[in-house]
Amino acid sequence: NAGVMQNPRHLVRRRGQEARLRCSPVKGHSHVYWYRQLPEEGLKFMVYLQKENIIDESGMPKERFSAEFPKEGPSILRIQQVVRGDSAAYFCASSPPGTGGTGELFFGEGSRLTVL
Amino acid sequence: AQSVSQHNHHVILSEAASLELGCNYSYGGTVNLFWYVQYPGQHLQLLLKYFSGDPLVKGIKGFEAEFIKSKFSFNLRKPSVQWSDTAEYFCAVDNSGGGADGLTFGKGTHLIIQP
Repeated sequence: NAGVMQNPRHLVRRRGQEARLRCSPVKGHSHVYWYRQLPEEGLKFMVYLQKENIIDESGMPKERFSAEFPKEGPSILRIQQVVRGDSAAYFCASSPPGTGGTGELFFGEGSRLTVL
Repeated sequence: AQSVSQHNHHVILSEAASLELGCNYSYGGTVNLFWYVQYPGQHLQLLLKYFSGDPLVKGIKGFEAEFIKSKFSFNLRKPSVQWSDTAEYFCAVDNSGGGADGLTFGKGTHLIIQP
């Protein structure tokens, strides 16, 4: 039962380094979402992608953060020059074709980033 | 912008007690409503959802939720909780007519069931 796969599950970076988080959606799903969860906070929407397209990045910080979902391979959330405030759990979710922006999301187990 | 409020951040109950977790949202138009659960060490999974029709929806593991449009609420209930219900519960709302920004989540309620 191949659900949403995220890796790494845990990532430790020093300030100024780069963090790359990967997400493979459920097989057949064409929509990918990234959410961030800070301590004592709910999940905050970051970006919604389809293959080779960013559909909505209204929740992405304007600098240092980028996301892609290439034609082949997993979706990547990239954080450049990490700062301590980037420490959080990053969750990826996917949904089937035809449900873009609405409907049930299938979540991965998250990637926990710690910035020293 | 849409916002979702979950009134209780931490709830502690004994087994067999009844549960009600509050959820209110701000958007006044057509919405889809969800409750997700995150068991310790696991990913979020869907508990139940409301799109249209009967405002009382039943989900997995004996949970149900009632959509009250006039109150902008979608409270989660379970008549008799079990120790295995210990988890984090998130209410989420989607503006079904409002574009592609995914779901808006509440901050979550951490439920602890004492044996």
